Amino acid sequence: AQKITQTQPGMFVQEKEAVTLDCTYDTSDPSYGLFWYKQPSSGEMIFLIYQGSYDQQNATEGRYSLNFQKARKSANLVISASQLGDSAMYFCAMREGRGYSTLTFGKGTMLLVSP
Amino acid sequence: NAGVTQTPKFRVLKTGQSMTLLCAQDMNHEYMYWYRQDPGMGLRLIHYSVGEGTTAKGEVPDGYNVSRLKKQNFLLGLESAAPSQTSVYFCASTERGSYSPLHFGNGTRLTVT
Repeated sequence: AQKITQTQPGMFVQEKEAVTLDCTYDTSDPSYGLFWYKQPSSGEMIFLIYQGSYDQQNATEGRYSLNFQKARKSANLVISASQLGDSAMYFCAMREGRGYSTLTFGKGTMLLVSP
Repeated sequence: NAGVTQTPKFRVLKTGQSMTLLCAQDMNHEYMYWYRQDPGMGLRLIHYSVGEGTTAKGEVPDGYNVSRLKKQNFLLGLESAAPSQTSVYFCASTERGSYSPLHFGNGTRLTVT
């Protein structure tokens, strides 16, 4: 079974609107962290936001927020007031446990922002 | 502030040739990783290291070898390249802590003909 599932291969949004990118995860470890990365067409991987499994509040970083629903095992990324520069591939990733663990990535969602 | 530096940026190999990808980080990070990215597959972990002199296999290790002789460097080797290894390769590093994000290099685009 996939550990990280991103069900939306592509999403379209108009500039200045909000958009939600879905991510569900699968783990039996009570301690884990969830990450979102952005990959623009230039190819670099840019870290956006982190949510820990024990965090009481949803993470926010500027226009990015994470809608964390632990019981449903979902960690959706919300981008408010989309900008043309938000057009990119977005990856959800998870690290399980503490210490020496690796990041497992989903297959990504391509977001296109239109004027 | 170089961060994570990968060399080379592009490479074309013929089937059966060998090569080494170099990753260097200047952030004193303990952990280093090699991922490959293929269309529709996301990023898949090849090998990783939790400290100087240590390496471990990831999800897709076959056909690759790695070495971490110095803390700041993590080398990925292809002994006999195959067309299936055509991909974009990313190196990443991070410090200890489950909350620590990975810092990525800019990637190496490898084509095996």
